[in-house]
Amino acid sequence: DAKTTQPNSMESNEEEPVHLPCNHSTISGTDYIHWYRQLPSQGPEYVIHGLTSNVNNRMASLAIAEDRKSSTLILHRATLRDAAVYYCIPYNYGQNFVFGPGTRLSVLP
Amino acid sequence: GAVVSQHPSRVICKSGTSVKIECRSLDFQATTMFWYRQFPKQSLMLMATSNEGSKATYEQGVEKDKFLINHASLTLSTLTVTSAHPEDSSFYICSAGTGTSGGRETQYFGPGTRLLVL
Repeated sequence: DAKTTQPNSMESNEEEPVHLPCNHSTISGTDYIHWYRQLPSQGPEYVIHGLTSNVNNRMASLAIAEDRKSSTLILHRATLRDAAVYYCIPYNYGQNFVFGPGTRLSVLP
Repeated sequence: GAVVSQHPSRVICKSGTSVKIECRSLDFQATTMFWYRQFPKQSLMLMATSNEGSKATYEQGVEKDKFLINHASLTLSTLTVTSAHPEDSSFYICSAGTGTSGGRETQYFGPGTRLLVL
């Protein structure tokens, strides 16, 4: 399983963009990069995933470095409901989803 | 998106009793289900992987005789904590996938079950 490094915590003001970084320098060539988030007292929730190209969906954007050793989850306008722990998880079928400590995002009103 | 439910959402039991937690995939067939536990202020730790119709695969350090997993159908997996003790108090979370999309596979997580053993 590829090892990931994320900041322990980040803070953002409401309605401002947030860039959550993740280093995954040992990722294999076929691992997808998944991002999940966990709100307090809830199970994790899927956010986005990608392989090589940048990806957009209604929740967020995912920017993947050309060498795939890092990626950045972008929340375009943070809301109070985005306060959660965000996990980046390199994954390929047959592996386990390995959760690191993640980044705890606080959103200030 | 797909929905995974867990029941009960929270349970309080006496030390020495057994507790069963159900995990259901409501609108898709889950070939594989995963069980995690999460202690306060910690990340999720994988306990075991269950495939429909076969024995579960447990992670190192997880006692298979204490945490019984049954994946009897493509929509239901159960985790039974036998002879529960206070140190088993935790947040138990299941997840499920269809097993059809390779590395693109999205895991759908249940809302979790909070177990408190007195």
